[in-house]
Amino acid sequence: AQTVTQSQPEMSVQEAETVTLSCTYDTSESNYYLFWYKQPPSRQMILVIRQEAYKQQNATENRFSVNFQKAAKSFSLKISDSQLGDTAMYFCAFDNTDKLIFGTGTRLQVFP
Amino acid sequence: DAGVIQSPRHEVTEMGQEVTLRCKPISGHNSLFWYRQTMMRGLELLIYFNNNVPIDDSGMPEDRFSAKMPNASFSTLKIQPSEPRDSAVYFCASRLDRVHEQYFGPGTRLTVT
Repeated sequence: AQTVTQSQPEMSVQEAETVTLSCTYDTSESNYYLFWYKQPPSRQMILVIRQEAYKQQNATENRFSVNFQKAAKSFSLKISDSQLGDTAMYFCAFDNTDKLIFGTGTRLQVFP
Repeated sequence: DAGVIQSPRHEVTEMGQEVTLRCKPISGHNSLFWYRQTMMRGLELLIYFNNNVPIDDSGMPEDRFSAKMPNASFSTLKIQPSEPRDSAVYFCASRLDRVHEQYFGPGTRLTVT
């Protein structure tokens, strides 16, 4: 069975700094999708970034980028130039073509 | 473009009452998912539909829970009878399969007293 592990329950960063959130997963599949979702205090689940396993190039969306290491089954999220609005829970998720499997989340606090 | 719509946003009910949560997926999406989020168990997939057909309901906790999708633009999740341990945030999400991205509604916070 596929599993997703986020080993950092909480992280903090100062505004304008860079922070990296870790995620590892376990699967025997070769083709799959990985996502990071953000859940601010409003509780809305917001898709931040996606990565296809068959693509070697790391995905980037503005200040958000990933470091995808397929052999190591690692999928970390880097947030550059952190902003107060980035304060939220961040969930890593694995898609094996039909269902999303979520990690337990990392609570990120951005300080002024 | 309207996102996934859920109603109600908040529901408070007494134990034993029937609760119905509603979801309207994004137009054109062909898969719909119901999740439950609690502090203890995190995000759990309850059931998902593809082209209005239930595909996997292995996450439905027990017979008190049922879900329907009578057409491509509407789904319900019903709990009867409700219990205090059902208190949680329930999310609906939809997806266009070839894109592989799920978009979530705002959630329904259910409190059973």
